[in-house]
Amino acid sequence: SQELEQSPQSLIVQEGKNLTINCTSSKTLYGLYWYKQKYGEGLIFLMMLQKGGEEKSHEKITAKLDEKKQQSSLHITASQPSHAGIYLCGADGSGNTGKLIFGQGTTLQVKP
Amino acid sequence: NAGVTQTPKFQVLKTGQSMTLQCAQDMNHEYMSWYRQDPGMGLRLIHYSVGAGITDQGEVPNGYNVSRSTTEDFPLRLLSAAPSQTSVYFCASSYSAGTGGSPLHFGNGTRLTVT
Repeated sequence: SQELEQSPQSLIVQEGKNLTINCTSSKTLYGLYWYKQKYGEGLIFLMMLQKGGEEKSHEKITAKLDEKKQQSSLHITASQPSHAGIYLCGADGSGNTGKLIFGQGTTLQVKP
Repeated sequence: NAGVTQTPKFQVLKTGQSMTLQCAQDMNHEYMSWYRQDPGMGLRLIHYSVGAGITDQGEVPNGYNVSRSTTEDFPLRLLSAAPSQTSVYFCASSYSAGTGGSPLHFGNGTRLTVT
């Protein structure tokens, strides 16, 4: 079965610094989702990447999909305290089975 | 627009008790699923459904039952609660399954403790 590995597991950065979170799949990626979760709350959809080489941005968050490397990255520019939370990547390994799996999550803290 | 609604928000059970976690969505989504979230393990898929009358197992289905009699509702049943089922449970839905469709919309979760 497919597995998603996120790195790092946790991250503490100073406000204003840039950071990157990686998500690596054990099998071919047919597409990938990024979500953010605040403690005690549900998951908020950030971005969906469907094609190799695709890159999407929303405000200060950019996500890329590298199908050859079976990897996606999430980059935050000039981090703010509002970026703090848990970031999770998710994917459907077979493209359309409905079995969406997730990585273990990356906990981000941003120090003011 | 309520989105995905989960009830209850919190629940404490004793070992061996049964209960049903409710999930309802008002977006006419075909796909619905249940996940559990445990520290350091991310989200693990319990059961999912691609439409009314169709359900299938995820990664960790043991100890849980589901049914999908309507498009809107997807209840999760714990037949005989065990301490290992202490977790936060999330229900999610989307217009269609797979990466060719829309992203998952999540409920706010149910925090379950089994003593």
